[in-house]
Amino acid sequence: EPEVTQTPSHQVTQMGQEVILRCVPISNHLYFYWYRQILGQKVEFLVSFYNNEISEKSEIFDDQFSVERPDGSNFTLKIRSTKLEDSAMYFCASKRTGSTDTQYFGPGTRLTVL
Amino acid sequence: KQEVTQIPAALSVPEGENLVLNCSFTDSAIYNLQWFRQDPGKGLTSLLLIQSSQREQTSGRLNASLDKSSGRSTLYIAASQPGDSATYLCATRLGSGNTGKLIFGQGTTLQVKP
Repeated sequence: EPEVTQTPSHQVTQMGQEVILRCVPISNHLYFYWYRQILGQKVEFLVSFYNNEISEKSEIFDDQFSVERPDGSNFTLKIRSTKLEDSAMYFCASKRTGSTDTQYFGPGTRLTVL
Repeated sequence: KQEVTQIPAALSVPEGENLVLNCSFTDSAIYNLQWFRQDPGKGLTSLLLIQSSQREQTSGRLNASLDKSSGRSTLYIAASQPGDSATYLCATRLGSGNTGKLIFGQGTTLQVKP
């Protein structure tokens, strides 16, 4: 069964460093998402992406964040200058169509900012 | 702003019991509602998706119901097993726009004792 994959599973970085989190969505899916979950808190929406552009972003997704689909398979989240409060589990999700489809989530990347 | 609440936060039951997990939401103009399972340190596995026009969905021992007018959904698990131990999350999608962002509850952590 096709699944969303994410790399790395765990990333440790120093405050102020740039990180890139990578996702490979399910191959025939058209809508892509990033969510994050700070330890002990709710899963929060960050950004949605469709047709090679951001379709919606949350207030969390400020200028330090960017997303890209550099080729036909990868979907990346870049944090330009990490802060301690960026430490969280980051989930990528995808779905096939815009109307009624289920979102499928990847296993997540745990980001630890020291 | 949509708020999603899940009660109880934690639940412990003996194996074999039937149980109900609750999810409530403040904005009844949802497009659909999804139930997920999250194992410790892992990603989210989609269990059931209920469209706003539906009243319930079933998958094996799981049955999810939706009452939009009262802003409530329940997940019924029949004949619980130790393997059902996990955190269960509900998430709503507002409106028919194609961004499809999900708003999550904080989850109910279920422990099924052998």
